[in-house]
Amino acid sequence: DAGVIQSPRHEVTEMGQEVTLRCKPISGHDYLFWYRQTMMRGLELLIYFNNNVPIDDSGMPEDRFSAKMPNASFSTLKIQPSEPRDSAVYFCASSLQGFVEAFFGQGTRLTVV
Amino acid sequence: DQQVKQNSPSLSVQEGRISILNCDYTNSMFDYFLWYKKYPAEGPTFLISISSIKDKNEDGRFTVFLNKSAKHLSLHIVPSQPGDSAVYFCAASAGYGGATNKLIFGTGTLLAVQP
Repeated sequence: DAGVIQSPRHEVTEMGQEVTLRCKPISGHDYLFWYRQTMMRGLELLIYFNNNVPIDDSGMPEDRFSAKMPNASFSTLKIQPSEPRDSAVYFCASSLQGFVEAFFGQGTRLTVV
Repeated sequence: DQQVKQNSPSLSVQEGRISILNCDYTNSMFDYFLWYKKYPAEGPTFLISISSIKDKNEDGRFTVFLNKSAKHLSLHIVPSQPGDSAVYFCAASAGYGGATNKLIFGTGTLLAVQP
């Protein structure tokens, strides 16, 4: 398996634009996580899914953020409208059993100017 | 409020010497702790973990120490190698695994091992 695949690797967008980040989890993994990494806060959990169902989205910072998992092999994280403070690296991760055995993707570096 | 704190943003060590990375936590419910390693342009990868029933866990050159009374853990790398240069994240969980035991991460420490 190629591991968790995220796209794009880098995204530069203007404030106010919609941004969509994509993730393909490892085949067979039931859990999918979206994390955000910033210098000030480290890695923060935004939302996670189990069997394609969102379980906990309490980490999503604002209503501007939304995430979907329409099937077992694909998830999106959308920011609309984007703001400069959303600039960060966003990681997707997947696992067979919960949080501690998750495999991370390479991340998407988002820059909002 | 940060429940898991890594107060040293960076650390520089000579090759062959010991690297000690520190982590403090505030939530007494945490009972499982992990270290992740992250190279540039890659995602974090699991390195080593420890349960609260232990005070030490060793895996090759890597040893994690847990001091529950001080709510402190540390990662020792001996001997340090240039390939160990990376960002190291400390993480904690209230319970192992499962669907509800979230991992709380620190802000990371950038380790640079000088040849």
